[in-house]
Amino acid sequence: ETGVTQSPTHLIKTRGQQVTLRCSSQSGHNTVSWYQQALGQGPQFIFQYYREEENGRGNFPPRFSGLQFPNYSSELNVNALELDDSALYLCASSLEAGEETQYFGPGTRLLVL
Amino acid sequence: GDSVTQMEGPVTLSEEAFLTINCTYTATGYPSLFWYVQYPGEGLQLLLKATKADDKGSNKGFEATYRKETTSFHLEKGSVQVSDSAVYFCALSDRGGTSYGKLTFGQGTILTVHP
Repeated sequence: ETGVTQSPTHLIKTRGQQVTLRCSSQSGHNTVSWYQQALGQGPQFIFQYYREEENGRGNFPPRFSGLQFPNYSSELNVNALELDDSALYLCASSLEAGEETQYFGPGTRLLVL
Repeated sequence: GDSVTQMEGPVTLSEEAFLTINCTYTATGYPSLFWYVQYPGEGLQLLLKATKADDKGSNKGFEATYRKETTSFHLEKGSVQVSDSAVYFCALSDRGGTSYGKLTFGQGTILTVHP
């Protein structure tokens, strides 16, 4: 059974650019959640996707957007990058939208200069 | 809104010492409670969970009991090892919320265990 994978592992961008992060969910899981973890902080919920639809969103501006594909993999897109977007971005998958236990990938570390 | 508060760290212990990391929560519904562990350079791994009052979650020698009366979920281990050095996160999932399955995390507690 393959776990949650994310790509790339590290990324450096400059302010104002756009970035796309990718996540493959664990086999059999149809729900993906994205979290932002700033240095020294706990993860903050960005949004969740269930069967290709957004299923809930945290307090993040619209320049944070996402997609989920028919194979349940997912993308996180961030437009107009700001310095404060520098963080570890974590993807987590779960069996169903109603399943509370989430399994996390290793994360993508984004640095915005 | 929902929130999780963890004891301030970092925590430094000698091998075989007893560990307690305090966690308290605020939630509008009936949350499930979790402890996740993050090793250096890695993502989060689920350590244990409890879904209702008085449930005890346990894994790898770690335990935590869901205490509704004190809104707490303290993590304990009787004898820590150097390999337990990591960051520990307490989290909740509030089943009454609109974002079902959304996890709310504490700020994390850094544990360092010396030989």
